[in-house]
Amino acid sequence: DQQVKQNSPSLSVQEGRISILNCDYTNSMFDYFLWYKKYPAEGPTFLISISSIKDKNEDGRFTVFLNKSAKHLSLHIVPSQPGDSAVYFCAASAGRNSGNTPLVFGKGTRLSVIA
Amino acid sequence: DTEVTQTPKHLVMGMTNKKSLKCEQHMGHRAMYWYKQKAKKPPELMFVYSYEKLSINESVPSRFSPECPNSSLLNLHLHALQPEDSALYLCASSRQERSTDTQYFGPGTRLTVL
Repeated sequence: DQQVKQNSPSLSVQEGRISILNCDYTNSMFDYFLWYKKYPAEGPTFLISISSIKDKNEDGRFTVFLNKSAKHLSLHIVPSQPGDSAVYFCAASAGRNSGNTPLVFGKGTRLSVIA
Repeated sequence: DTEVTQTPKHLVMGMTNKKSLKCEQHMGHRAMYWYKQKAKKPPELMFVYSYEKLSINESVPSRFSPECPNSSLLNLHLHALQPEDSALYLCASSRQERSTDTQYFGPGTRLTVL
């Protein structure tokens, strides 16, 4: 049973426009959510995170939104740049007081930013 | 600095070989992780070390043997692997083994078992 789901395997966006990557989760005990970016043959690079006590976190061009009632989070990249083309993984974890679930990854969404 | 280094970058081994993967971090992190990633799949957790002690083993076959000699180093010893063990092996570290501590990943070792 997939606890973290990224239902769009791929996404294409024009350079300069907004990229929106979505992620849904089923485990209501998750209390920390992260987005990683991955280029081929490299390890995942941490992008941005959000704690369950917040609903938004922003870092430069990247903003993560969390909707706990819908068990949904999204990553917004604006403006999108060709160098953003990569696979984006959503991940979530739960602490010791919440079932202590190690980091669980979604299957990833391949973003292509077209110049 | 959030660098985790892994050696070697690539490894080809036969099913009877014994080899080791190495991972190093100098961020003072006390939790270290091994993940396995197959093509077009997400990383899957194998082992977690917390303060140099094995904290989690996700039912990994005994042909994979982790070792944490000190707080900066993590090894994965490989013996009698199968071709289906071919994958990208990722090491990660975090400040502690807490859900709110971000894990930083190394570049991985691409393992091919012949």
